[in-house]
Amino acid sequence: GAVVSQHPSWVICKSGTSVKIECRSLDFQATTMFWYRQFPKQSLMLMATSNEGSKATYEQGVEKDKFLINHASLTLSTLTVTSAHPEDSSFYICSARGGANEQYFGPGTRLTVT
Amino acid sequence: GEDVEQSLFLSVREGDSSVINCTYTDSSSTYLYWYKQEPGAGLQLLTYIFSNMDMKQDQRLTVLLNKKDKHLSLRIADTQTGDSAIYFCAEIPATGANNLFFGTGTRLTVIP
Repeated sequence: GAVVSQHPSWVICKSGTSVKIECRSLDFQATTMFWYRQFPKQSLMLMATSNEGSKATYEQGVEKDKFLINHASLTLSTLTVTSAHPEDSSFYICSARGGANEQYFGPGTRLTVT
Repeated sequence: GEDVEQSLFLSVREGDSSVINCTYTDSSSTYLYWYKQEPGAGLQLLTYIFSNMDMKQDQRLTVLLNKKDKHLSLRIADTQTGDSAIYFCAEIPATGANNLFFGTGTRLTVIP
């Protein structure tokens, strides 16, 4: 099946610094990727839709200047959490859309901001 | 907006069948999905069903869709301890950006 990778799998950073998370589709091209956030014991919340070559579409309540998304190629989207704060600590999961409207998820990145 | 609901917990004995239920509100949903999430991991696509289908079977998994009642279920036959995980149903509505709307997730615990 289609494989989506994320890097890093976990990261600890100090408050005020920025963190970049990469999402790659390894064996298929994805014109659309999605970024989700998951709080402990909760469901996934869509943050933004990332389209290759254009600006991301953010969901209501998600700060686009804080969560920078770049979809530079058909296989790579990045999420940068700028000026991270402890409340940004969460599990961030990306997905890439393949054919037949299937979405394949990355393994997630656990961010801890101290 | 779209609303997808699931019961939070299900416990079954090893070897029994598990049935995880999901209800949704958007009658225009095109695709409906079942994902599995193991602790600390991302989501694994288990199966999906197109809205014009009533049933789909894939090895131990059977998906039933009652479009009239907006009810989706996932049956796992011969449940094993490795099936213990959180199961999310999700839908893509006919309108919008083709993103998924997830249910709350059902935590399945398989008792040996």
